Amino acid sequence: EVQLVESGGGLVQPGGSLRLSCAASGFIFSIYAMTWVRQAPGRGLEWVSTISDSGSNTNYADSVKGRFTISRDNSKDTLYLQMNSLRAEDMAVYYCTRGTSGMDVWGKGATVTVSS
Amino acid sequence: DVVMTQSPLSLPVTLGQPASISCRSSQSLVYSDGITYLNWFRQRPGQSPRRLIYKASNRDSGVPDRFSGSGSGNDFTLNISRVEAEDVGVYYCMQATRWPRTFGQGTKVEIK
Repeated sequence: EVQLVESGGGLVQPGGSLRLSCAASGFIFSIYAMTWVRQAPGRGLEWVSTISDSGSNTNYADSVKGRFTISRDNSKDTLYLQMNSLRAEDMAVYYCTRGTSGMDVWGKGATVTVSS
Repeated sequence: DVVMTQSPLSLPVTLGQPASISCRSSQSLVYSDGITYLNWFRQRPGQSPRRLIYKASNRDSGVPDRFSGSGSGNDFTLNISRVEAEDVGVYYCMQATRWPRTFGQGTKVEIK
């Protein structure tokens, strides 16, 4: 079964850091670009970042550029999102999704709460 | 950035009746390879999004054939031929032709 499982969410103070992970299974992880999408409470979907299959190319939303870093470990079939200098507006459910144009598989999400 | 504008934002529908959601983009979504990278997703309450339609008109595996996507260029539509109770949720269009990827605001479909 094709599956994506996010982990690493939690409560963090403004200005703090958190690293999300997304474990992939059921498909050949290394041949797919991967994407993070977030959803603030009661709001719509917002694209955050995408990484190419090899990890050599990355793209970021302006709202997170310079603060978030997307990476991957193809030997571990795992995607990451390092989030630094977190702000209240970063509070959201973060979804891991397969692909850059397709986004055909989604995880259940990891909740990030930013509060003092 | 490409702005995706959906209408309506709220859609009360009667069971068994058709429903239609419009999605308009501020720029053409035809990529240099000739493909239009426009997806439709549905998000049921408390669940992750699920892709229904890709490349504007291709239905995903397991998606009932009452769902169809159409359109080209800047103007797209998601049609549900006969709404069923399980179709409630928020529907989003998303363009993947240009960076940054952008979503529509979402259309909430509910049963009257």
